[in-house]
Amino acid sequence: DAGVIQSPRHEVTEMGQEVTLRCKPISGHNSLFWYRQTMMRGLELLIYFNNNVPIDDSGMPEDRFSAKMPNASFSTLKIQPSEPRDSAVYFCASTGGEGRAETQYFGPGTRLLVL
Amino acid sequence: GDSVTQMEGPVTLSEEAFLTINCTYTATGYPSLFWYVQYPGEGLQLLLKATKADDKGSNKGFEATYRKETTSFHLEKGSVQVSDSAVYFCALYSGTYKYIFGTGTRLKVLA
Repeated sequence: DAGVIQSPRHEVTEMGQEVTLRCKPISGHNSLFWYRQTMMRGLELLIYFNNNVPIDDSGMPEDRFSAKMPNASFSTLKIQPSEPRDSAVYFCASTGGEGRAETQYFGPGTRLLVL
Repeated sequence: GDSVTQMEGPVTLSEEAFLTINCTYTATGYPSLFWYVQYPGEGLQLLLKATKADDKGSNKGFEATYRKETTSFHLEKGSVQVSDSAVYFCALYSGTYKYIFGTGTRLKVLA
C-alpha cells in the first residue's frame, strides 16, 4: 500500500496568494483528518471527515481556511488569502475503522512557507 | 476533558543508554493509548499501542505498559541507538473520532 499521499511536499508562496494542499488517504479508509504542526502550538487538529462528510471543523483557524472531500480518495485544504502566520507543516491522516484500537496513518506532510 | 501530559524534552542520551519518556493521561472512559514517532522531515507513525489496562505494547525494542492505577503509559527502551533520534508523541483515543496527542518529546542519541 502506498500509504497516505500528500502534495506538494513543499510550498513557498507570498502573502495574499491562494494555497491548495492535497491528500489521498489509504484506500478503504473512511476517516480523514487534517492537522497543522508548529513549534509554538504543536500538533493541532483542523478538521475531521467521516465518509467524506465534514464532522468537526472547530479547529479551522478562520474563514480563510476551507477543506473539501469530494470523494473517498481525495481531499483538499485551501488557504485564501494566505498569511505568514500560516507557515507550518500540514499533515493529512486517515483511519480505517479498527474501533478502539484505531491507528492513525499520517502522510509525509506539506511544509508551507508564506513570505 | 481528556488530556495527555508527557515529559518536556529534549532528552539527550549516549548510545546504549536506557530510555524512559514519561506519559500520563486523564480520561473519563477507558481509552486506548499509543506512542507515535516522528523522524525528521516525516509524518508521525505508530510505534506501539495498548488497548486495555495491563496491556504491554512493544515494537523495535520499545515497550510501554498501560497502567490504569497510575494513569500512565511510559515509553522505555533498554539500549537506544543513534537511529532512535526522533520526536516521540504519546496519544490517547477514547473511541470517538478525536485523538489527543501530547506535545512531543525530542530524543537525541549521541554516538
